[in-house]
Amino acid sequence: GAVVSQHPSWVICKSGTSVKIECRSLDFQATTMFWYRQFPKQSLMLMATSNEGSKATYEQGVEKDKFLINHASLTLSTLTVTSAHPEDSSFYICSARGPLLAGVQETQYFGPGTRLLVL
Amino acid sequence: QKEVEQNSGPLSVPEGAIASLNCTYSDRGSQSFFWYRQYSGKSPELIMSIYSNGDKEDGRFTAQLNKASQYVSLLIRDSQPSDSATYLCAVKVDYKLSFGAGTTVTVRA
Repeated sequence: GAVVSQHPSWVICKSGTSVKIECRSLDFQATTMFWYRQFPKQSLMLMATSNEGSKATYEQGVEKDKFLINHASLTLSTLTVTSAHPEDSSFYICSARGPLLAGVQETQYFGPGTRLLVL
Repeated sequence: QKEVEQNSGPLSVPEGAIASLNCTYSDRGSQSFFWYRQYSGKSPELIMSIYSNGDKEDGRFTAQLNKASQYVSLLIRDSQPSDSATYLCAVKVDYKLSFGAGTTVTVRA
């Protein structure tokens, strides 16, 4: 159980276009989801925290008007990269705070990631 | 100063040996610590969590925490080629996880 899916897994787009990435919790409800970005050979960097029914909380340095986050239901959060540019090419990973595992105080279930390439 | 620091490696160990991974963190108030494994091109998966000082063992993995030294480590015993991956240390700060850059481990057959 506790599976998180992401769609699409790969996307290639032209510079200036917008790309939407979906993150779904398949068998549990997630009031909180997180969006991360990972550049090659670097760690996961938290971009924003998405709470169902409210505005996302963005990390310092992340442009909220460029990375639009919508968490309209307890099982779906979307990240839209608006007017994408080559420097936005990265691995985008979502996670959902889900059912606690035995002995684990903070359980984030990660999606498989979406690789974005902007030409 | 980064919140979570790890040696990037690569750490190369022979099959059957012990791999030792280290992590330091800057927020003295952190209470929850995690080790994730990330295979190339994949997303992270949780392998260990630890909350109190001392050792915690789970199969071939042992996590060690020393809050006074702000240090957490992971030992992988009887390393297998399938353990070859990048290991990410994560620290819970407020409601968020802060990740280190990861240590790449290669287990030689």
